[in-house]
Amino acid sequence: AQSVAQPEDQVNVAEGNPLTVKCTYSVSGNPYLFWYVQYPNRGLQFLLKYITGDNLVKGSYGFEAEFNKSQTSFHLKKPSALVSDSALYFCAVNTGGFKTIFGAGTRLFVKA
Amino acid sequence: DADVTQTPRNRITKTGKRIMLECSQTKGHDRMYWYRQDPGLGLRLIYYSFDVKDINKGEISDGYSVSRQAQAKFSLSLESAIPNQTALYFCATSEDRVPSTDTQYFGPGTRLTVL
Repeated sequence: AQSVAQPEDQVNVAEGNPLTVKCTYSVSGNPYLFWYVQYPNRGLQFLLKYITGDNLVKGSYGFEAEFNKSQTSFHLKKPSALVSDSALYFCAVNTGGFKTIFGAGTRLFVKA
Repeated sequence: DADVTQTPRNRITKTGKRIMLECSQTKGHDRMYWYRQDPGLGLRLIYYSFDVKDINKGEISDGYSVSRQAQAKFSLSLESAIPNQTALYFCATSEDRVPSTDTQYFGPGTRLTVL
């Protein structure tokens, strides 16, 4: 069965420090990987996606993610966290067709 | 995203009642989706629609039905609501290219409570 795992329910980081939100996947076929962010009382917003090509993908708000095929991972990173980055982050994967599988989400808390 | 709107934003209802959640979009996308979000489970797909004439069940369609009234409108109905349908419901749209690589655009969500 295809799945996405976000092993941490919550990540805490101090403002100005680098942040990492982890995502691993288990799929058959080529994965197309996404990160979305959800702010309070808002719908999910697209951050970035990996389709093919360069393993390092840059997205909105200074976020980036690295596709690692051997480790089946797609971790989200940012060099310097902001308090405003505090939100719920979802990793998602699609292997073809109309079904996108979402992870359970990781809550990021950035402390001033 | 203001291009995808959902009504109502919050709804409390009783077991057995019929409920309709509405979604409208101004993005001009043909593809629309309904998801439910439960804590610790992420988003799960209820129904999706390629265009007005094409509607498909997702992974958790039991107890739900949908109507695609126009390209811009996609409604979700709970014919007889039950407490375990209490959740946050999201509508989404996607661009009309390759579906597996499409970015999805989400509405603000409807918080439904079934007592």
